[in-house]
Amino acid sequence: KNEVEQSPQNLTAQEGEFITINCSYSVGISALHWLQQHPGGGIVSLFMLSSGKKKHGRLIATINIQEKHSSLHITASHPRDSAVYICAVEASGSRLTFGEGTQLTVNP
Amino acid sequence: DGGITQSPKYLFRKEGQNVTLSCEQNLNHDAMYWYRQDPGQGLRLIYYSQIVNDFQKGDIAEGYSVSREKKESFPLTVTSAQKNPTAFYLCASSRHLETQYFGPGTRLLVL
Repeated sequence: KNEVEQSPQNLTAQEGEFITINCSYSVGISALHWLQQHPGGGIVSLFMLSSGKKKHGRLIATINIQEKHSSLHITASHPRDSAVYICAVEASGSRLTFGEGTQLTVNP
Repeated sequence: DGGITQSPKYLFRKEGQNVTLSCEQNLNHDAMYWYRQDPGQGLRLIYYSQIVNDFQKGDIAEGYSVSREKKESFPLTVTSAQKNPTAFYLCASSRHLETQYFGPGTRLLVL
């Protein structure tokens, strides 16, 4: 069993829909990261959080430390949100353990 | 502009050949990392360095080597001992305990 599990693996939505991507982990962590990878391969860090909730534009990330679970929400989804979304946990130092990613496709 | 660059974008390796992937950052970050990405798998850590002239093996270091002679640079050599080198390689950097910034990646293909 992977230390970081994401669901779903693939997600297709219509433009405007509310999207949720989930991440569960099995180890104690100091922080959790949400990353976005576009088709060209480049990765952008979206959020780094250790408790509660963070919001940036249409993106919201939440974490429940007791339940070892985090969610990434996208409100009013748009085709440009189509990408792979990756959850990663930081357990010791700055080393990250990554989930396999969720491929999101938003259709117009 | 501050950022992290990787070159080349595509790299071809012949059997038995060593190849070196470049990673440079001008963000004044102390820590740098090399990851490998294979289809259907999460990123895996190859090597990381938290300070100049020091580096540690990650989870899949066999067949790879690195150096950290300068703060800005962390080149990765894929040696002939790496039997399955075809993958997408990502370099990242960070300040201590802060978020990591990723480069655009190098795709390595074996001829």
